[in-house]
Amino acid sequence: DTGVSQDPRHKITKRGQNVTFRCDPISEHNRLYWYRQTLGQGPEFLTYFQNEAQLEKSRLLSDRFSAERPKGSFSTLEIQRTEQGDSAMYLCASSLGPTGDTDTQYFGPGTRLTVL
Amino acid sequence: SQQGEEDPQALSIQEGENATMNCSYKTSINNLQWYRQNSGRGLVHLILIRSNEREKHSGRLRVTLDTSKKSSSLLITASRAADTASYFCADPQGGYNKLIFGAGTRLAVHP
Repeated sequence: DTGVSQDPRHKITKRGQNVTFRCDPISEHNRLYWYRQTLGQGPEFLTYFQNEAQLEKSRLLSDRFSAERPKGSFSTLEIQRTEQGDSAMYLCASSLGPTGDTDTQYFGPGTRLTVL
Repeated sequence: SQQGEEDPQALSIQEGENATMNCSYKTSINNLQWYRQNSGRGLVHLILIRSNEREKHSGRLRVTLDTSKKSSSLLITASRAADTASYFCADPQGGYNKLIFGAGTRLAVHP
C-alpha cells in the first residue's frame, strides 16, 4: 500500500499521560498536514509542514501539542498531559504541492484517541 | 472554525434513488472539493470544482457550483448501499492550502 499510513490506529490513555502518533506520507509528497476530527464534525486543521519546516499552526494547537517532521519524511504528533477534551480522531494528509491550480490532499486512516 | 454548512445534516434513502447534498461557504474560493468518509475511516477525495466552473461530472457524481450564492451541491445518482458514508465539502485556504471543512452530511443508503 503506497498511501498515507498512520500508527497507531487506536490509542486509549489515561488523563495526564503523554501520547505520540506517527504519520508516514506518500513518499514523494513534500506537504504534510495534521487535522483533528471530533464526533459528528468535519476535520479541523492543526498544523502544516513543507518538507521539515513547520510553517503554520492553528490556534487549536495548544502548548501541550508538538509536531515534528525531522527529515521531511514521516511526522510525529505528541500530546502531553492529555485531557479528556483531546479525545478525537487525528488525521494526517499529504500532498505533492500545487499542480496547476489544484493541490489534492490524500488522507491516512487516522488515529482514534480516547482519553479516560 | 468551520467554513460553512452542509445541508441536510443527515439523509436516508433507498438504493437506486438519487442523493443531493448542499454546501454553503463563507469566503471566496479558488476551488471547492468534496470528500467521502466511511464510518470511522480516513477521507477519500471525490471531486474538485474550480471557481470558474459551474458543473462537473465524475461517474455517478455531479457537482455544481454557484459562486454568487456561495454554494455547491453534490448529486449521487443511482445510489448503492456502498455509498453510505459522510460527505464533506472543503475549500483550500491560505498559501499552504489547508482545507476548511463543513460539518458534513451523513448519508445512509438502504438496500
